[in-house]
Amino acid sequence: AQSVTQPDIHITVSEGASLELRCNYSYGATPYLFWYVQSPGQGLQLLLKYFSGDTLVQGIKGFEAEFKRSQSSFNLRKPSVHWSDAAEYFCAVGAYNNNDMRFGAGTRLTVKP
Amino acid sequence: NAGVMQNPRHLVRRRGQEARLRCSPMKGHSHVYWYRQLPEEGLKFMVYLQKENIIDESGMPKERFSAEFPKEGPSILRIQQVVRGDSAAYFCASSPPAKAGETQYFGPGTRLLVL
Repeated sequence: AQSVTQPDIHITVSEGASLELRCNYSYGATPYLFWYVQSPGQGLQLLLKYFSGDTLVQGIKGFEAEFKRSQSSFNLRKPSVHWSDAAEYFCAVGAYNNNDMRFGAGTRLTVKP
Repeated sequence: NAGVMQNPRHLVRRRGQEARLRCSPMKGHSHVYWYRQLPEEGLKFMVYLQKENIIDESGMPKERFSAEFPKEGPSILRIQQVVRGDSAAYFCASSPPAKAGETQYFGPGTRLLVL
């Protein structure tokens, strides 16, 4: 079965600084990869997803992620963080032959003024 | 087009009572997924259902937990004889008739507190 590791539990960045959130997956075939964001007390909102094709994926709110098969990674990036980006971010992996998704433990992002 | 709806948003139960969590998928979606999020943890897959059919329940605890998605009406996650360790946020997601990798759309969650 597929699995996901998000190595960073908590990250703090200054507003305007660049951001990279790490995600490593384990799966024997080509994965489907997702990033979701969760604001406090809310559900999850899809930021972006990778199925195939271009390995650099653009999402909403200025986020992008790059699929690197050789590193089994799908890191999320943003060039300039806004205070409203403070939230919990979850990476998820899906399998090609079913619709089960497995989530990482999440990375909590704090944005300093 | 309404999104995934869950109710109640907050549920308080005493130990030993039953909890029923409801999920109405987005219009046109026939697949429902339930996840549990414990405090300070990520989402854990519980169960994946189609109408009248359980596809994968590998994440469901063996006892006290059950799920259904009837032909008519919402999907129900039922927890019998709740214990304090059941306190968590329970999220439902839905997707269209699923080919692999179909995007799942999440509801706002039900926060269960067991006293």
